[in-house]
Amino acid sequence: NAGVMQNPRHLVRRRGQEARLRCSPMKGHSHVYWYRQLPEEGLKFMVYLQKENIIDESGMPKERFSAEFPKEGPSILRIQQVVRGDSAAYFCASSRAKLWNEQFFGPGTRLTVL
Amino acid sequence: ELKVEQNPLFLSMQEGKNYTIYCNYSTTSDRLYWYRQDPGKSLESLFVLLSNGAVKQEGRLMASLDTKARLSTLHITAAVHDLSATYFCAVDPSGNQFYFGTGTSLTVIP
Repeated sequence: NAGVMQNPRHLVRRRGQEARLRCSPMKGHSHVYWYRQLPEEGLKFMVYLQKENIIDESGMPKERFSAEFPKEGPSILRIQQVVRGDSAAYFCASSRAKLWNEQFFGPGTRLTVL
Repeated sequence: ELKVEQNPLFLSMQEGKNYTIYCNYSTTSDRLYWYRQDPGKSLESLFVLLSNGAVKQEGRLMASLDTKARLSTLHITAAVHDLSATYFCAVDPSGNQFYFGTGTSLTVIP
């Protein structure tokens, strides 16, 4: 049973470009969460999605960031017009259901903005 | 604002010694999770504590939860070098998101 998959594992972008991060949840999991980890810090929640729905986006910056989890395919975290401060590790987690909410984490995408 | 605080933030200990990491949180939560993170790696689930008084043990690590005190502990017994990592606790009061602690960076010295 494959775990949570994320790609790319490393992404380098220049300021002003767009970054697209992908996350495929574990088989049977329909809940996806995105977290951001700045160097030497803990993980900070960004957004929680179910298929075709954003459930909680209280941690998402108001501008440039968006997320989706379409009916088919992976969840996408999209960052437009990246800035140096966006450099971080972005982790995706998935869970089977909300009530039994153990989250399993993917390997992360390390974004570097030059 | 919900806070999850761990202490110590940095811990250097000799092999064979015992120590405890503390996790305090500021809101009601019946569930608490402990994760391990190695440098440059993802988070590995260690323990899921689902009720007050829960205690779980795996190898040299033991975790407990006191929901009334809003406190969890991660106890390390007879530390070995392989335990060197950063340890995070997380609470889940609403079911929508995890709130992570600040992390405890553990270094076990031979």
